Amino acid sequence: KNQVEQSPQSLIILEGKNCTLQCNYTVSPFSNLRWYKQDTGRGPVSLTIMTFSENTKSNGRYTATLDADTKQSSLHITASQLSDSASYICVVRNDMRFGAGTRLTVKP
Amino acid sequence: SQTIHQWPATLVQPVGSPLSLECTVEGTSNPNLYWYRQAAGRGLQLLFYSVGIGQISSEVPQNLSASRPQDRQFILSSKKLLLSDSGFYLCAWNSVGNGELFFGEGSRLTVL
Repeated sequence: KNQVEQSPQSLIILEGKNCTLQCNYTVSPFSNLRWYKQDTGRGPVSLTIMTFSENTKSNGRYTATLDADTKQSSLHITASQLSDSASYICVVRNDMRFGAGTRLTVKP
Repeated sequence: SQTIHQWPATLVQPVGSPLSLECTVEGTSNPNLYWYRQAAGRGLQLLFYSVGIGQISSEVPQNLSASRPQDRQFILSSKKLLLSDSGFYLCAWNSVGNGELFFGEGSRLTVL
């Protein structure tokens, strides 16, 4: 059973709109959760890391939230841009194995 | 600052030919090193990782092999390529105690 589940698998939004990506995990014990962005044809790049004591963290137009009680994290993207089109991957507890993530497409 | 390089960037090889992809890291010592493969539209598949010179762990049985002849050098090889070896190969590193992975530019392999 996957210990990290992301939803939706794919998402299409119009430029300028907001969106929220979800990550549910069952990994225990929890130490941290990291969101990566992978542009097509490139390697993933870390956007943000959430530790147990953090509920929310922002990086520009990206805001990550963490609810350690329900074991859920979300990545909210504000005022989307075409360059936000990418796969977004949630990784828990420094796992070296990556899931498929959520494929976001921003259309003009 | 630390940098990671891998090459070649693109490669077109016939079935049955050998393969060698190379990855080097600069600006750090004793990194953990990783090889991933990504098929079109799919997630990253961990192939090999190494925590030190000569120490290789394999995630998936296949006709690929990895070697770490030097501290900051990681090589992915095959003696005879299969069509199914086509994909986007990524090398990555991180340091002990820091989970963030840093990826190279990738190598796109097409086996014909």
